[in-house]
Amino acid sequence: AQTVTQSQPEMSVQEAETVTLSCTYDTSESDYYLFWYKQPPSRQMILVIRQEAYKQQNATENRFSVNFQKAAKSFSLKISDSQLGDAAMYFCAYRSAGAAGNKLTFGGGTRVLVKP
Amino acid sequence: GAGVSQSPRYKVAKRGQDVALRCDPISGHVSLFWYQQALGQGPEFLTYFQNEAQLDKSGLPSDRFFAERPEGSVSTLKIQRTQQEDSAVYLCASSLSTGANVLTFGAGSRLTVL
Repeated sequence: AQTVTQSQPEMSVQEAETVTLSCTYDTSESDYYLFWYKQPPSRQMILVIRQEAYKQQNATENRFSVNFQKAAKSFSLKISDSQLGDAAMYFCAYRSAGAAGNKLTFGGGTRVLVKP
Repeated sequence: GAGVSQSPRYKVAKRGQDVALRCDPISGHVSLFWYQQALGQGPEFLTYFQNEAQLDKSGLPSDRFFAERPEGSVSTLKIQRTQQEDSAVYLCASSLSTGANVLTFGAGSRLTVL
């Protein structure tokens, strides 16, 4: 079974600065998808960014970018120019691209605090 | 609707009571998922529907948990004889296509069992 590990329970960043969240995963599959979700206090999970494992190019979405290292099974999220609205829980998630691709496996989450 | 709607937002139950949690997915979305999120943890998969068919229920923790989606739209997660360890946020998500592609999540139902 796949596992996703987020080793940082909490990260603090100054407004306008950059913060990087770590995620590692364990899988024997070669084709899969990785995601970062944001969960504000309202509890609704919001997709931040998505990466297909077969793509070597790292995904970017405005101020959010990832560093995908397939061999190391690492998938970190960089938030640039942090804003107060970025404060939330962030979850890394894995999804198989095969027949079992009907569920997401989440990590334990990292709380991001943004200091004004 | 515009998003995934879940009700109730909050539910307090006495141990041993039965509860029912409702999920209204986005209209036309084929796939529907239920996740359980314990306090301070990431969501864990419970079950998956494709239209009205429950294709995967491997995450349901016990036979006290039951989910249905009889007409392929609204889904209900039922928990019988609730226990304190059932206290969690129950998240529903839907997707236009099959599988966990681009999911839209609801705001969840927080269940507290006393």
